[in-house]
Amino acid sequence: ELKVEQNPLFLSMQEGKNYTIYCNYSTTSDRLYWYRQDPGKSLESLFVLLSNGAVKQEGRLMASLDTKARLSTLHITAAVHDLSATYFCAASQASNSGYALNFGKGTSLLVTP
Amino acid sequence: NAGVTQTPKFQVLKTGQSMTLQCAQDMNHNSMYWYRQDPGMGLRLIYYSASEGTTDKGEVPNGYNVSRLNKREFSLRLESAAPSQTSVYFCASSGNIATNEKLFFGSGTQLSVL
Repeated sequence: ELKVEQNPLFLSMQEGKNYTIYCNYSTTSDRLYWYRQDPGKSLESLFVLLSNGAVKQEGRLMASLDTKARLSTLHITAAVHDLSATYFCAASQASNSGYALNFGKGTSLLVTP
Repeated sequence: NAGVTQTPKFQVLKTGQSMTLQCAQDMNHNSMYWYRQDPGMGLRLIYYSASEGTTDKGEVPNGYNVSRLNKREFSLRLESAAPSQTSVYFCASSGNIATNEKLFFGSGTQLSVL
């Protein structure tokens, strides 16, 4: 069974600082997703990473994928308060019935002045 | 743009009561999913349906049943609710993960079982 682990689970950082969230998965998965969730809200898709070495950037967030290490990272550059949210990574697992996404437990990010 | 619509948004049940959570999508997606979200646990897959007429168990299917009524609708039923089923439930849909399409999520149903 595909297991997805994120760390850290909680992160408090100052505005303007950089930090990285890590996502490890236990078995082969050829695609990795990052989602954002604001308190009391649903999940919003950030990135889909499809191949080894894939890198995607949107504003202050950059995601990368290393399928050989089974590792994805979400790098935050010069954090601002608006980035405060919970970030989830998810890896896809194929079965006879199709694909499903297995999620990590999420990283709760708080950006403070 | 409705996307994925879940009803109800909030529900309180007594232990042993039954209820059905409804989910509909208007994006012509093949695959639909039910997840539950608990504090500190992330999202855990309950059931999914890769296409109309098929369903499969996820990580935590016990105590739940599902019906893929048609391509648009995927319902989740609790036959005899238990306090352990207190959670936020999310429905999601996708065109085809195999072709790299992402999941779109509904707004969630907050369920409390007393």
